[in-house]
Formats: sequence, structure tokens, C-alpha cells
Amino acid sequence: GENVEQHPSTLSVQEGDSAVIKCTYSDSASNYFPWYKQELGKGPQLIIDIRSNVGEKKDQRIAVTLNKTAKHFSLHITETQPEDSAVYFCAAISGGGADGLTFGKGTHLIIQP
Amino acid sequence: EAQVTQNPRYLITVTGKKLTVTCSQNMNHEYMSWYRQDPGLGLRQIYYSMNVEVTDKGDVPEGYKVSRKEKRNFPLILESPSPNQTSLYFCASHGAYEQYFGPGTRLTVT
Repeated sequence: GENVEQHPSTLSVQEGDSAVIKCTYSDSASNYFPWYKQELGKGPQLIIDIRSNVGEKKDQRIAVTLNKTAKHFSLHITETQPEDSAVYFCAAISGGGADGLTFGKGTHLIIQP
Repeated sequence: EAQVTQNPRYLITVTGKKLTVTCSQNMNHEYMSWYRQDPGLGLRQIYYSMNVEVTDKGDVPEGYKVSRKEKRNFPLILESPSPNQTSLYFCASHGAYEQYFGPGTRLTVT
């Protein structure tokens, strides 16, 4: 089955700086890679995703890049703000995978004022 | 509004007392899953369902049961809870790709 590794487990950045979280996956058949943000006391919420036929996707201050050859993908957050503080999860799935996503273990992002 | 609901949100129980956590989705998704979240271990899948009356084990199914009698509902059943099942539980539903999570149920077994 799929295995997703996520690094770092904790990331502290100054407000206004950029943050990068990296994930690797093992199953070359995986073709969908979402990122979730989990705030305290809430369920994970999808913030951005990328399919395997695309190398990069941006949505305002967040972007995701995918390197299929190396089997890794990254989340980039620019101009970080206090409300970006949360736990972020990457995940991977093979298309139409009924058994759902395989998640990384999460990154606790701390934005220092 | 697309929604996954879970009840209860918080539950404290004792070892061996059967409990059920309900989950409902309004997106007409065929696929639903249950996860548990523990510190340092991320989200681990307990069970999943591909459609009504079709369920299968995830990564950590021991001690849990599920049923899928209707498309919108996917309850999680703990027949005889034990303290190692103290955790934060999430229900999720999805189509082919995008997965939506419920708000979570924090379960404590004493």
C-alpha cells in the first residue's frame, strides 16, 4: 500500500516569512495529492490539491508543487500570518481509491509574531 | 452546504460499555471512512465503505465495527471499549478524490 512521509513535524517561522512542508510517497500509481489544514478542535479541511498531470498549483498565498519522478510534493505558504498557525497534513491517493487517502503524520506550523 | 456531521462530539465512558458514534453526510458520496487521530501518529484509517452494505478494514480495525445500511450514514461501533481506544475520531466522506471530514468525536475510555 501507499506510504506517505512528511517533514518537518514542527516548523516555526516569523510572521511574514515563507513556510515549506515536504512529503514523499511510495506508490507510483498515486495521482491525487491534497493538503489539509487542521485548526485546534476542528476536523481537517482541504486547502489545496494537485493532480499528477500538473506540476504546480497556486491559490493566493499557498502553492503546491509535485515532482512525480522523485515522488515528492511540497506545500509553500508565503507571507505567513498568525491565522496560518495550525497542523498541516499531506495525503496521497490512487484515482478512484475507495479506501481513501493515506496521510502523512502532520506538521505543526507555528507563526511567531 | 456540503457537510459531514458526527455525534456525540465528546464522550467519556467506561471499559466494556458498548457505544456508537454516528456519522452522516449530505453529499450523496458513495465512499465513507472512519479515522482515529493520536499524537505523533497522524490520521489512521479504521474502516471504510464503498457503498451500502460494502465495508472493509483499514489500517487499525481491531476493536471496532461499522455498518452501512443507508448511503448517508456510517456509524462506528465499539462493542467493548478499552482505554487504548481513547482518541479523537473523524468520519469522512468522499467521491473519487476530494475528502470531507466531520468535526471529530473526542472519546475517553476509563
